Amino acid sequence: GQNIDQPTEMTATEGAIVQINCTYQTSGFNGLFWYQQHAGEAPTFLSYNVLDGLEEKGRFSSFLSRSKGYSYLLLKELQMKDSASYLCAVRDRNTDKLIFGTGTRLQVFP
Amino acid sequence: DAGITQSPRHKVTETGTPVTLRCHQTENHRYMYWYRQDPGHGLRLIHYSYGVKDTDKGEVSDGYSVSRSKTEDFLLTLESATSSQTSVYFCAISGGDSAGTSYEQFFGPGTRLTVL
Repeated sequence: GQNIDQPTEMTATEGAIVQINCTYQTSGFNGLFWYQQHAGEAPTFLSYNVLDGLEEKGRFSSFLSRSKGYSYLLLKELQMKDSASYLCAVRDRNTDKLIFGTGTRLQVFP
Repeated sequence: DAGITQSPRHKVTETGTPVTLRCHQTENHRYMYWYRQDPGHGLRLIHYSYGVKDTDKGEVSDGYSVSRSKTEDFLLTLESATSSQTSVYFCAISGGDSAGTSYEQFFGPGTRLTVL
């Protein structure tokens, strides 16, 4: 089966750095996605990791360790608009479907 | 962003009535998905389609059916709505490359359904 864990809520200060962790157990792993979802809106794609290592995209970076079943999303120079939920999703190699975690709600304070 | 619309955006209905939600895309993506999102559960896959008239069940398919008669449209039907189906429903698409293999999913704006 599949299981994805991420913290329910996090808080941080504007201008700071925050790391959102995601751990997973899956019978067949074929990539990990991060999505951002503002309240009342649709999820939007942030990053996709299929190989180990760090992928950097502007203020956002995503890291993957397949051997540890672990990923993190790193947000730098936090802005108020970064207040949102961040969803971790694993692509199951056997079914080709995405399995989503319950999301981490990030609140950024001035 | 990816040319996906959902209709209606909001609906209130009564228990026992049939409901159909529509997802329309203008991107010619191969795959289409229906998810529901509930507090504490994250996004859960209801049904998906990998081509016209080709559909399959997701993890929470009971009480739902789908149809895809055209590439651009994917319909979700609640045959007899129940209060447990009160949720936000998202449509998503993927497979926009020429081989139909890109995995990134783009989401529609969502439909908020309330079943009284």
